[in-house]
Amino acid sequence: EAGVVQSPRYKIIEKKQPVAFWCNPISGHNTLYWYLQNLGQGPELLIRYENEEAVDDSQLPKDRFSAERLKGVDSTLKIQPAELGDSAVYLCASSLVGQKGTEQFFGPGTRLTVL
Amino acid sequence: GNSVTQMEGPVTLSEEAFLTINCTYTATGYPSLFWYVQYPGEGLQLLLKATKADDKGSNKGFEATYRKETTSFHLEKGSVQVSDSAVYFCALSGTAETSGSRLTFGEGTQLTVNP
Repeated sequence: EAGVVQSPRYKIIEKKQPVAFWCNPISGHNTLYWYLQNLGQGPELLIRYENEEAVDDSQLPKDRFSAERLKGVDSTLKIQPAELGDSAVYLCASSLVGQKGTEQFFGPGTRLTVL
Repeated sequence: GNSVTQMEGPVTLSEEAFLTINCTYTATGYPSLFWYVQYPGEGLQLLLKATKADDKGSNKGFEATYRKETTSFHLEKGSVQVSDSAVYFCALSGTAETSGSRLTFGEGTQLTVNP
């Protein structure tokens, strides 16, 4: 069974440029998560989708970050414009359901460097 | 809000040594508790979990017991191997209806096992 797929794996951009990350969850998983992981820290949730609906986006900086999950499968996370402080690893995860105790499966992440 | 505190790293051990990585948490209600592991160049993987007080999670020789009275979920292994070298994250998922599956992570503990 294929795991969570993310692309690109690495991205280097200059500040003020836009950037987008793509995630393909495990087939059949209706819950999708985007996490931000700063260097030396644990991941922090940005947004959670149940099918197409964003049900937990309280920690998404909506002035520059946006996300979508069309058709309830793939998802895209966008930053526009990027700032130096956005340099981090962006992780996508998926799970069968969005219930407490459910295992989340993580992709390898996209490492963003903003110059 | 919910929080997780892990022992500071990095931790360096010799092969076959005993491992303990401390984890304590703050949360309302009865969260589920997890240990995730991140091997070099790979995504986060679930190592073990416990969903209620006094449960013991175990996998690959690792164990952790959900202690409600001390709000702890310490990770232990009796004899570590070089292949256990990785970053270990303690995490919890909360109890709220809308954010119940959101994972709150500790900062991670880097483990290096020398032959």
